[in-house]
Amino acid sequence: GIQVEQSPPDLILQEGANSTLRCNFSDSVNNLQWFHQNPWGQLINLFYIPSGTKQNGRLSATTVATERYSLLYISSSQTTDSGVYFCAVEGWSNYQLIWGAGTKLIIKP
Amino acid sequence: GAGVSQSPSNKVTEKGKDVELRCDPISGHTALYWYRQSLGQGLEFLIYFQGNSAPDKSGLPSDRFSAERTGGSVSTLTIQRTQQEDSAVYLCASSLGGFNQPQHFGDGTRLSIL
Repeated sequence: GIQVEQSPPDLILQEGANSTLRCNFSDSVNNLQWFHQNPWGQLINLFYIPSGTKQNGRLSATTVATERYSLLYISSSQTTDSGVYFCAVEGWSNYQLIWGAGTKLIIKP
Repeated sequence: GAGVSQSPSNKVTEKGKDVELRCDPISGHTALYWYRQSLGQGLEFLIYFQGNSAPDKSGLPSDRFSAERTGGSVSTLTIQRTQQEDSAVYLCASSLGGFNQPQHFGDGTRLSIL
């Protein structure tokens, strides 16, 4: 099956810093989503991005489907950005989302 | 409601008891998914419902786990004879169905088996 790898596994930054999170996947995918899980466990859908680039405020994401990776950019980070960022992909054979292990982000004030 | 609703938010029970977890999807969403997340881990797919089609149960870890979806809306995940390894957060998501539809998640049920 499709493998999803995220890097780095952990990231600690000062407030105001920028960061780039990476998601690699092992095969062609039908779609890709980025999620943020906050410290209270809530999963928030950030981007639905099978290809191309999208921006939402301080966050943006780029997926290069032909090279099987996606990047999530966080600019001018805030303490509320802390949590775990997950990448999940959908293959072509069923509707299951296959999840990476996540990047744990801690933003220090 | 505006989002996916799950209940209870927390459940503590003794080993061997049965538990029922409920998910109310976003109105109009035909697809419903159950996932399990153990502490510090990613999400594990359990089961998928799409409209009136037979559910995809390929992710259920054992025959103690079952789920149903009545009337194409509310879903119940049942765990019989709970074990300590069943302790996890159980998350429900819904989407408009089919490929290429983003999934939207509820807040989950945190299940603790004593």
